[in-house]
Amino acid sequence: RKEVEQDPGPFNVPEGATVAFNCTYSNSASQSFFWYRQDCRKEPKLLMSVYSSGNEDGRFTAQLNRASQYISLLIRDSKLSDSATYLCVVNRGYTDKLIFGTGTRLQVFP
Amino acid sequence: DGGITQSPKYLFRKEGQNVTLSCEQNLNHDAMYWYRQDPGQGLRLIYYSQIVNDFQKGDIAEGYSVSREKKESFPLTVTSAQKNPTAFYLCASSKAETQYFGPGTRLLVL
Repeated sequence: RKEVEQDPGPFNVPEGATVAFNCTYSNSASQSFFWYRQDCRKEPKLLMSVYSSGNEDGRFTAQLNRASQYISLLIRDSKLSDSATYLCVVNRGYTDKLIFGTGTRLQVFP
Repeated sequence: DGGITQSPKYLFRKEGQNVTLSCEQNLNHDAMYWYRQDPGQGLRLIYYSQIVNDFQKGDIAEGYSVSREKKESFPLTVTSAQKNPTAFYLCASSKAETQYFGPGTRLLVL
């Protein structure tokens, strides 16, 4: 089983739609969770950290479910500029090493 | 401007040649990392350094070497022992648990 698993997509959605991605992780000792965004042929950029209580940043909401070992990202009112690959990132157990998922590709169309 | 710089943007390697990728940061971060990204795969950790003059192997260190003589700099050498070096190489730095990436170097084999 992969340490971090994501549906590769692509998710093709119209502008204005709401879209959700899930990610599962295998190490129950993981403590740090993130979503990064990566545009084609560019470096990953931090989108948001994910906290136990869930957190929101504008149109983006992240949730953590420790019991089921998954994290989610909800994007509301999708924009064309949201088209990118979204990487789920989790720390490896009790270390500060990060494990990156292979990413979920989102394509927003007009 | 604070940030992480990597050079060159593109690098071509001949058979049997060692090449060095540069990574510099002026964020005053203690930890620095090197990752490799291949199509369809998540980022994989090559080497990391938590402090000057100290570094550890990541998951795929074979065929690579690093040094950390200054806090700001963490160069990666791809040696001739690395048989499949074609990839996108990303350098990152962190102060706490969050990592920030440079723009990357694409290495191609001639």
